[in-house]
Amino acid sequence: EAGVVQSPRYKIIEKKQPVAFWCNPISGHNTLYWYLQNLGQGPELLIRYENEEAVDDSQLPKDRFSAERLKGVDSTLKIQPAELGDSAVYLCASSLRGGSGGELFFGEGSRLTVL
Amino acid sequence: ELKVEQNPLFLSMQEGKNYTIYCNYSTTSDRLYWYRQDPGKSLESLFVLLSNGAVKQEGRLMASLDTKARLSTLHITAAVHDLSATYFCAVDLSQKLVFGQGTRLTINP
Repeated sequence: EAGVVQSPRYKIIEKKQPVAFWCNPISGHNTLYWYLQNLGQGPELLIRYENEEAVDDSQLPKDRFSAERLKGVDSTLKIQPAELGDSAVYLCASSLRGGSGGELFFGEGSRLTVL
Repeated sequence: ELKVEQNPLFLSMQEGKNYTIYCNYSTTSDRLYWYRQDPGKSLESLFVLLSNGAVKQEGRLMASLDTKARLSTLHITAAVHDLSATYFCAVDLSQKLVFGQGTRLTINP
């Protein structure tokens, strides 16, 4: 069974440029998460989707970050414009159900470097 | 605000030795997860602990959960080099996982 697929794996851009990351969750998983992982730190939640609805986006910096999950399957996370401090790994995860006890499965991440 | 603290943050040990990683959290939760992350790789689920007193073992790793003390431990028995990685605990809070800072484990021959 295919795991969580993310692309691109690596992206280098200059500050003020836009960037987008794509995630395809495990088939049948209704809940999708985007996490941010800074170097040497644990992941931090940016946004959680239940199907196509964003049910927790309290940690998403909405001035420059946006996300969508059309049709409740694939998701895209966008940053516009990117800043130097956005350099990090963006992890996508999915679970069969979002309630407590739903184990999260992570993709390999998209590593962003902003110059 | 839930805080999840791991210690130690860095651990260097010799093969064959035993050691324990601790995970403390500040708010009531009865669900805790342990993940492993190799450099440049994603997070691999190790254990899911769903109730007070839960204990799970897989090979040389054993995890336990004490919800009353708000403490989980990850015990390593007779360490081998292949266990070198960063280990994260994550606490379930209102349907999202809050992660600790991670423990970077290095096992030397």
